[in-house]
Amino acid sequence: EAGVAQSPRYKIIEKRQSVAFWCNPISGHATLYWYQQILGQGPKLLIQFQNNGVVDDSQLPKDRFSAERLKGVDSTLKIQPAKLEDSAVYLCASSFTTVASYNEQFFGPGTRLTVL
Amino acid sequence: AQKITQTQPGMFVQEKEAVTLDCTYDTSDPSYGLFWYKQPSSGEMIFLIYQGSYDQQNATEGRYSLNFQKARKSANLVISASQLGDSAMYFCAMRGASGAGSYQLTFGKGTKLSVIP
Repeated sequence: EAGVAQSPRYKIIEKRQSVAFWCNPISGHATLYWYQQILGQGPKLLIQFQNNGVVDDSQLPKDRFSAERLKGVDSTLKIQPAKLEDSAVYLCASSFTTVASYNEQFFGPGTRLTVL
Repeated sequence: AQKITQTQPGMFVQEKEAVTLDCTYDTSDPSYGLFWYKQPSSGEMIFLIYQGSYDQQNATEGRYSLNFQKARKSANLVISASQLGDSAMYFCAMRGASGAGSYQLTFGKGTKLSVIP
C-alpha cells in the first residue's frame, strides 16, 4: 500500500511570509497528525484530526498556524506569518484509529522548512 | 503529563555487535504503550517495535528487542548484530491518553547511533 505523502519536501521562505504544507494519509486511516520536529529534538504534536474533526490542537500556535482536513482525507498545514523559530521539519502521520491500544502511526517523509 | 527521557545523545557500536539504547518514561496512566522509531538521514520515521504496559513478555521484532522493566519505568531498545544501515537517530515514544480524550505520542530527544565498520 502507498505510504503517507507530503509535499513539498523542502521550502525556504523569508520571515513574515506564509507557507502551506500538504499531506495525503494512507487510504482508510481515520486519524491524521501534524508534528513539528526542531533540529536535535523529537517530534512535537501540533494537531490531531479524527476524520475531518480536530481532536487536539492544544500545542498549535493558533495566532500563526492553521490546519484543515477537508472531507476527512488530505490535510493542509499553514503558517502565516512565519517566524525564524518555525524552521523545522514538519511531519505528517496517520493511523487507522485512536481507539486501539496498539496505535501505530505511519509517518511521511516530512517537509523541511527554513525561514530566513 | 507524560515524559520520555533518552540520556544518550550519541552512541557508537562496532558492526555485528549488540547495542542498547536507553529510554525511561514517566506517566500516571495505568495503560500506555511504548514505541521505538528509527529516523535515517532521509527524515522518515520508521516504526521498529511496540510494548504495551500490560504485556507480560518483552517485545521482539527480528534483530530488535525491547527490555521492558515496568517497576523501573524503563524501555530500552536492544539491537543485535548491528549493521551499517542501522546508523540513524532512534526515538523512544510513549502512547497515552491526552487531556483532550485522545491518544497521542510523546517523543524523547533521540539517540544518534553510529555503526562502525
